[in-house]
Amino acid sequence: QLQLHESGPGLVKPSETLSLTCTVTGGSISSSRSYWGWIRQPPGKGLEWIGSIYISGTIDNNLSLKSRVIIFVDTSKNQFSLKLSSVTAADTGVYYCAGQSSAYSSSALGFYYFDSWGQGSLVTVSS
Amino acid sequence: QSVLTQTPSMSGAPGQRVTISCTGGDSNIGAGYDVHWYQQLPGTAPKLLIYSNKIRPSGIPDRFSGSKSGASASLAITGLQAEDEADYYCQSYDSSLSVLVFGTGTKVTVL
Repeated sequence: QLQLHESGPGLVKPSETLSLTCTVTGGSISSSRSYWGWIRQPPGKGLEWIGSIYISGTIDNNLSLKSRVIIFVDTSKNQFSLKLSSVTAADTGVYYCAGQSSAYSSSALGFYYFDSWGQGSLVTVSS
Repeated sequence: QSVLTQTPSMSGAPGQRVTISCTGGDSNIGAGYDVHWYQQLPGTAPKLLIYSNKIRPSGIPDRFSGSKSGASASLAITGLQAEDEADYYCQSYDSSLSVLVFGTGTKVTVL
């Protein structure tokens, strides 16, 4: 069974870069899912998609975060990572990594859902 | 504010049926994109409940069912149980914004 686990600093200073890593166990990151994604949830609020990376390395991200997001995969470690630059207090929240699947073969990102989730990592942006 | 709108809260007695709606528009649900549903128990990560409008993953009780019509979708919970008290989110894709989008969320309370 696929398991995901986020890791990284729980406290980041304003204007610095938030870095999180998701370690995948129970399956290969290269073949068990086509997309791997990041989602966040501010305290007491709803879910927001940050971005996803396809197994080929293509990245789709939420344009509301503009160019602050970098997502990359390290297949040798079975991990994928998120970097969010120039953080502010508005970036505080729980960050989830997730594996994505689709009911259709060769489908675009729009038909993918999140079927395996990490437990979440709370990141607070504060000086 | 999300492009997928859900009723903020709903409640029901044990054994009752509750139906959660997810209303979108022409660039998301109405454009033919699938709707998926997640359950988030307090203090835990979301869990996939329904995918591709109406398909239940293995292990999800058949008390949960999904449907889609036009630019809206619904999640029905029949035979409501205490352990169903949670937040529920719909999710789809918006082609105008080019984003995977979650609904605003519905908190279900079991009376």
